[in-house]
Amino acid sequence: QSVLTQPPSASGTPGQRVTIPCSGSSPNIGSYSVNWYQQLPGTAPKLLIYTNNRRPSGVPDRFSGSKSDTSASLAISGLQSEDEADYYCAAWDDSLNGPVFGGGTKLTVL
Amino acid sequence: QVQLQESGPGLVKPSQTLSLTCTVSGASISSGAYYWSWIRQPAGKGLEWIGRIYTSGSTNYNPSLKSRVTVSVDASKSQFSLKLTSVTAADTAVYYCARESESPHLFDNSGYYAPWGQGTLVTVSS
Repeated sequence: QSVLTQPPSASGTPGQRVTIPCSGSSPNIGSYSVNWYQQLPGTAPKLLIYTNNRRPSGVPDRFSGSKSDTSASLAISGLQSEDEADYYCAAWDDSLNGPVFGGGTKLTVL
Repeated sequence: QVQLQESGPGLVKPSQTLSLTCTVSGASISSGAYYWSWIRQPAGKGLEWIGRIYTSGSTNYNPSLKSRVTVSVDASKSQFSLKLTSVTAADTAVYYCARESESPHLFDNSGYYAPWGQGTLVTVSS
């Protein structure tokens, strides 16, 4: 069981807006920023959002992140078929003294 | 453009040592405020942080693996390595190397990983 909790699946239709939540606790999200990764089928994860809400160069502004207290969320607007992937949240955890990941959310574009 | 590439045996016998190398190109492994990290992913499962080494040579390891893990760096070859001893079937996974950048926020330990290597599958089996 992962330290950070994500729903195992999410879905939406093209053009729709979907959000993926990530729930943590005081030693992790409550104290540190959250990063998000996108893993397309058969490929390595790719940084999608860092430090809660910053987008690396090349990531479309359809992707956005937010954090409040011990939870974070990833929002994808204008959903596209190529957004179908696994999404992981991550944050530092004082109990582990290292980074922890969520269990991942598989996004299906219907 | 920084690129990372994992290499090493794809099959390791139980109780033996798993050894992987990550070759960094496009940047100096010994400059900048970066950690060089290892992360693994069992088939169909999530990501697990294994450990990391800083530019200075200091290391941090996942407590659940700490007794079996060593991460080292060879700056002359622009490589860093992972050794995991006494492996079992539970260590079968895709192993990724990645560069970790420090958060831009003061006192924020949540570094972020970019780029990642393509990953290498290591199977533990006799």
